[in-house]
Amino acid sequence: GDSVTQTEGLVTLTEGLPVMLNCTYQSTYSPFLFWYVQHLNEAPKLLLKSFTDNKRPEHQGFHATLHKSSSSFHLQKSSAQLSDSALYYCAFPYGNEKITFGAGTKLTIKP
Amino acid sequence: EAAVTQSPRSKVAVTGGKVTLSCHQTNNHDYMYWYRQDTGHGLRLIHYSYVADSTEKGDIPDGYKASRPSQENFSLILELASLSQTAVYFCASSDDRSSYEQYFGPGTRLTVL
Repeated sequence: GDSVTQTEGLVTLTEGLPVMLNCTYQSTYSPFLFWYVQHLNEAPKLLLKSFTDNKRPEHQGFHATLHKSSSSFHLQKSSAQLSDSALYYCAFPYGNEKITFGAGTKLTIKP
Repeated sequence: EAAVTQSPRSKVAVTGGKVTLSCHQTNNHDYMYWYRQDTGHGLRLIHYSYVADSTEKGDIPDGYKASRPSQENFSLILELASLSQTAVYFCASSDDRSSYEQYFGPGTRLTVL
């Protein structure tokens, strides 16, 4: 069935280093892929959404490229900031306006 | 700005008791959802609704009921709360115009003792 996999449960990085969070998916049909971010004691909110025309979405320094050949939508940032510490979810829509979320990756940035 | 509110923000319930979690949205969205969040499992869909007076089962509906009395309101009901239902519960809304983007409420932390 349709699913999304985030292989890293916990990622700890030093400030200034590059970030890459992995996301792979299995879907018979997925028009979009998303990254949601959830800061401590806050609600999840949309960070990025893939485009259908292969443009690379970017927001707050984060970007992600949809690779249909490898069914991946990894999240990247060139230089981590302390404020990037949060829980990150990869997700895609399925069925009728439903979203399936990965298990999440907790990113911790240390000084 | 889209707005989804939830009440209560936290609750302690006893095993076997009835719990009702409420959600209200002012986005004029057709779709509303209930998720539970557990460490290691991410966000899992419990129930959702695309129109008032109708609800649909999500991926983990067992032990939960839902009610959508109006477009703005969506409740999650635990008739017989169990220890395993201790979690954080999020309500969300979306519609066709938002292209699947989900707007989440602040969450309700439920502890069942």
